[in-house]
Amino acid sequence: DTAVSQTPKYLVTQMGNDKSIKCEQNLGHDTMYWYKQDSKKFLKIMFSYNNKELIINETVPNRFSPKSPDKAHLNLHINSLELGDSAVYFCASSILGGPQRETQYFGPGTRLLVL
Amino acid sequence: KQEVTQIPAALSVPEGENLVLNCSFTDSAIYNLQWFRQDPGKGLTSLLLIQSSQREQTSGRLNASLDKSSGRSTLYIAASQPGDSATYLCAAKTTDSWGKFQFGAGTQVVVTP
Repeated sequence: DTAVSQTPKYLVTQMGNDKSIKCEQNLGHDTMYWYKQDSKKFLKIMFSYNNKELIINETVPNRFSPKSPDKAHLNLHINSLELGDSAVYFCASSILGGPQRETQYFGPGTRLLVL
Repeated sequence: KQEVTQIPAALSVPEGENLVLNCSFTDSAIYNLQWFRQDPGKGLTSLLLIQSSQREQTSGRLNASLDKSSGRSTLYIAASQPGDSATYLCAAKTTDSWGKFQFGAGTQVVVTP
């Protein structure tokens, strides 16, 4: 019954590898997000999709590529992983527009450690 | 560019005392502002969302106010309990519904029994 789920929860990998993180929401929301939380706990938006269309694309390396196969799923693929990519990646979802409809619901996070 | 600041970074209070958490933002043209709670090793849980047209929102022991002219939002937690111990983050969305949330760094709260 988890509203926003992410897999995997933990990811330990070597520099240079390619990895993917998956996110699914069962709330019927039309918008999904990827955030990065660094070691200082600062949370920054990376990407956002509304109805499978990219609406927010922050300045992130093009090694990061999001994909939204449908409104309920948003995946993040990372090529050529670097040490600085180590962080916790959060997926979130919401409904855009309208009072109280923009509350964001977060997944549990994926803890990525690049060695 | 919107900047969101939360001071203090950490706060410790005895059980039963009221908590006052501050959030400042530089651009008063916000669309809405949201308060979250984050427990260690967990995701964020939304507490309250205030639209730009509102002055405050309440939910149980929680009350959040919004003053756009001064660029401030305050989260009040009445009669704190040890279970309130967590990191509290505020996030301001600028421009419009298509904008992005800008997060503060959070205030880590410890409520001692």
